[in-house]
Amino acid sequence: GAGVSQSPRYKVAKRGQDVALRCDPISGHVSLFWYQQALGQGPEFLTYFQNEAQLDKSGLPSDRFFAERPEGSVSTLKIQRTQQEDSAVYLCASSRDRGNTIYFGEGSWLTVV
Amino acid sequence: AQSVTQLGSHVSVSEGALVLLRCNYSSSVPPYLFWYVQYPNQGLQLLLKYTSAATLVKGINGFEAEFKKSETSFHLTKPSAHMSDAAEYFCAVSDQNTGGGNKLTFGTGTQLKVEL
Repeated sequence: GAGVSQSPRYKVAKRGQDVALRCDPISGHVSLFWYQQALGQGPEFLTYFQNEAQLDKSGLPSDRFFAERPEGSVSTLKIQRTQQEDSAVYLCASSRDRGNTIYFGEGSWLTVV
Repeated sequence: AQSVTQLGSHVSVSEGALVLLRCNYSSSVPPYLFWYVQYPNQGLQLLLKYTSAATLVKGINGFEAEFKKSETSFHLTKPSAHMSDAAEYFCAVSDQNTGGGNKLTFGTGTQLKVEL
């Protein structure tokens, strides 16, 4: 498709389970971002990639969160040993390069029970 | 550090009435400012952005916003509300130094309700 694609759209995980969320950015987009949006809140920055390089991971809330983009295209956000406070929508976004308009995907809704 | 404050978590207007959603920012460097709209169960869609050119910015769906440096504001307006405008609106800021990517800092959002 022409937009940012995320999968799964919805995920229910038991507490302690590991989850992996996938993001397919717009073709040719160099910059890729992950955001976390808790219920009733604005999105909060998690991490940023320029091609395959993770240039900023200052927003990752704990060492249970890990993101990768090994070939500079598809990215995966992994959450280990999920906790209830991890329940949120995880938004992926991409842009053609630094300073260009950022386009968001529809998000992956994670519920930890 | 940058931040955004959106005054009013819920705004209700009548169809055809003026829409005014308020946003104030704090930034130690010249900012880029954005308004995004989010419809239920969907991602964020860019409405408009200010990038230090004209202070009055026109966006999609009839929305516009004016950058006022003296007031550190970037309020979103639309002259006449339509039922389809009902959604959540987010104001966001990034700095003009793109060395760290154009990382966005969002406000907490304003839910717009449009009534007949």
